[in-house]
Amino acid sequence: DSGVTQTPKHLITATGQRVTLRCSPRSGDLSVYWYQQSLDQGLQFLIQYYNGEERAKGNILERFSAQQFPDLHSELNLSSLELGDSALYFCASSVEQGRTQETQYFGPGTRLLVL
Amino acid sequence: AQKITQTQPGMFVQEKEAVTLDCTYDTSDQSYGLFWYKQPSSGEMIFLIYQGSYDEQNATEGRYSLNFQKARKSANLVISASQLGDSAMYFCAMREDSQGGSEKLVFGKGTKLTVNP
Repeated sequence: DSGVTQTPKHLITATGQRVTLRCSPRSGDLSVYWYQQSLDQGLQFLIQYYNGEERAKGNILERFSAQQFPDLHSELNLSSLELGDSALYFCASSVEQGRTQETQYFGPGTRLLVL
Repeated sequence: AQKITQTQPGMFVQEKEAVTLDCTYDTSDQSYGLFWYKQPSSGEMIFLIYQGSYDEQNATEGRYSLNFQKARKSANLVISASQLGDSAMYFCAMREDSQGGSEKLVFGKGTKLTVNP
């Protein structure tokens, strides 16, 4: 158990809908990262937050957005869902930023299926 | 350009034998970190081992060791005394030292390891 929690574990929804994925980082971790794992794209970085502020954006679609709240939990919002958004979405956390040796610990993931 | 290359889509090993999973990387940074993660069929990503670009010694964590060859830009994972529970996907990842930038991990495509009894 990495200490990172994600809810829900599974999500089935229809095209055009909107969903929210939730992540609680390990106790004491200030950085939260979101990654998407799909069969065709592999594991891709979406977005990073540090202590409530957006730190970096990766290959995140405009239909997707995220935020990190004062209690450090984070939510990833996916809207106008398409079939291609079906994937495993991971949240990861680390203690601080700026050091290459900082290990990111991953949550169990949310498996999203868009029908 | 692909930053992390894992050339072995699948590997097979007999229980109790050692296996090496290959990883090569591409970066122009002097400071970077290399990570290996294990993803069992249940889906979670489990951190295994870390190697820093300035580390002179190869990293070891129990049965896992990292064969780091900086000049060749390779960071191969060695698993000794394989166990059935080692059957999983293994991902190599790199984090570059970006001043004021992202600490994102860039992942390879993974190697599926199967341990045979």
